[in-house]
Order: sequence, then structure tokens, then C-alpha cells
Amino acid sequence: DAKTTQPPSMDCAEGRAANLPCNHSTISGNEYVYWYRQIHSQGPQYIIHGLKNNETNEMASLIITEDRKSSTLILPHATLRDTAVYYCGTNDYKLSFGAGTTVTVRA
Amino acid sequence: DAGVIQSPRHEVTEMGQEVTLRCKPISGHNSLFWYRQTMMRGLELLIYFNNNVPIDDSGMPEDRFSAKMPNASFSTLKIQPSEPRDSAVYFCASSPLRDSSNYGYTFGSGTRLTVV
Repeated sequence: DAKTTQPPSMDCAEGRAANLPCNHSTISGNEYVYWYRQIHSQGPQYIIHGLKNNETNEMASLIITEDRKSSTLILPHATLRDTAVYYCGTNDYKLSFGAGTTVTVRA
Repeated sequence: DAGVIQSPRHEVTEMGQEVTLRCKPISGHNSLFWYRQTMMRGLELLIYFNNNVPIDDSGMPEDRFSAKMPNASFSTLKIQPSEPRDSAVYFCASSPLRDSSNYGYTFGSGTRLTVV
């Protein structure tokens, strides 16, 4: 499994876009990139995933670089309820998580 | 759908005692995963099952840990004997078997284990 690297923390203003980076330079060709978030001590919540192409759903957008060595999760309009730890991970046949980024959305 | 159900939510036990954590996956999901979360090591995959069969247990820390999945709707993670360093939050997750690398896992709410 590829090792992922994320910044430990970041702040974001409410209503603004939050861009969360992740490096996965050792990712293999069949590994998917996944993003989850964890609020307080709840179980991780699935956000989005992708292999090569950029993806968008009702929660977020995922931008994967052409060489697949890094990705960015975009929360288009951050709200206070988006304050959480965001985990980037990779999955070939099992999902491995990075250390996560603590995102604090401020009013 | 009730989601992935774990019990108990909290467990406090004395060192040396046996601890059993339980998980009920989402109906129809054929892959089940046990994770452990600590401040020091983050989220670690302990073991996972496909169709009730253990596929990869390389994350199980030592022989004191064992996991079973006797049927498609139930799994247990047992620690015997427990030690203070086993204190952590243990999560269970499930996913459809079909190409599980291309499908998100659904996690339970976790069991917070404290060994004193």
C-alpha cells in the first residue's frame, strides 16, 4: 500500500472553499485514492474516491494529478459542520489511511 | 439500513481479562474489516474477511488477538489476555465484495476499549 502524507492541520473560513492536499508518490497503478473524514470520535465517514479521473459528488470534489502522485480534496463551501479530521488513503485490495489533516472551519 | 453495528460502545476491563468485541456488518456486504485507532499509530487495519474467510491478518499485533466470522452477519475480535497497551478505539467496517477496492467502506461507531 502506498504511504500518504498530509499536512497535520489547516484552518478554513466558513463559506470558502477548503483545499486539502495529499501526497501518495508511491501509489501503484491499480490503487484507488480515498478520502474519509472523522468527526469527534465517530467512525470514519466516506467522502469520495477515484483512480485517475477527477471526481465530484454532493460532498466534495477530488482532483488527482496526471502522474497520480498527489491529490486534492475540495470542499466547495465549507461550513462549521465540516470541522473534522480528514484522511487520505489508498486502496488496492485493502484500505490504508494516512495520519490525517485536522480541518477547523471558522465563522 | 442500520449500518454497521458494533458492541459494546465502551468497555473497561482489567489487565489479563478476556475481551470480546462484536460487529454486525451491513446486510449483503461480504467484506468485513477490523481497524484499531490510537493517537500514536492512527488507524491501522488489523484483519479483513471476504465471504467469512480471513484473507489478510498481517495487521494483527500478536497472538493475543484473534478474530472470527462464523457467518455473514457476525464477527468478533477477541483479546486474551488483555494489556493496557491494547487500549484504543476498535472499528469494524464492511463493504460489498465485488471489487471492494472501488467501493467505500462503511464504518461502525467503534468500541472504546480501556484496559486498566
